[in-house]
Amino acid sequence: KAGVTQTPRYLIKTRGQQVTLSCSPISGHRSVSWYQQTPGQGLQFLFEYFSETQRNKGNFPGRFSGRQFSNSRSEMNVSTLELGDSALYLCASSLAGLLDSYEQYFGPGTRLTVT
Amino acid sequence: GQQVMQIPQYQHVQEGEDFTTYCNSSTTLSNIQWYKQRPGGHPVFLIQLVKSGEVKKQKRLTFQFGEAKKNSSLHITATQTTDVGTYFCADIFFSGGYNKLIFGAGTRLAVHP
Repeated sequence: KAGVTQTPRYLIKTRGQQVTLSCSPISGHRSVSWYQQTPGQGLQFLFEYFSETQRNKGNFPGRFSGRQFSNSRSEMNVSTLELGDSALYLCASSLAGLLDSYEQYFGPGTRLTVT
Repeated sequence: GQQVMQIPQYQHVQEGEDFTTYCNSSTTLSNIQWYKQRPGGHPVFLIQLVKSGEVKKQKRLTFQFGEAKKNSSLHITATQTTDVGTYFCADIFFSGGYNKLIFGAGTRLAVHP
């Protein structure tokens, strides 16, 4: 069974631009969660999508948004990029979701650098 | 806001020594999860603990959930170089109308052969 895939793996953007990251979950998984990982703030939860609906949400500003398609693939968008948005963005898929006792499988991440 | 405190931040051990990382919260933990992230890698789910006083074992790894559900621990017996990485705990908190998965800062384990 193929794992979680994320594209692109690396990205360099300029402050003020916007970026879209993509995540393809494991086949059959309906929940996709997104995380930001930085050396300073650690691993932080952005949001969770389940069956095309945002079901849970972290404490990030509205510049961070996402969506999920009918095939469970998910995209995350960050608008008006700031230097502090430089991070590893990870997505994870799960059979059911955050509140269910199902294991999350993480993708390799997208390394975003904002200059 | 909700916090999950994890200690120690770093741990250096000789191969064969034991290792323990602790996760604490001022509020009751609900579904404590443990992850391992190898250097340059992504987090890998290890286990989830739900019941008060629960103890689960995976080979040399022992996971415990405190009786009061305010703390959890991961203990590795006889560490090996393959145990190197950062170990994170995480729990789900509800606030602002949403559930959020909150991670501890992680414990970075270095194992010297």
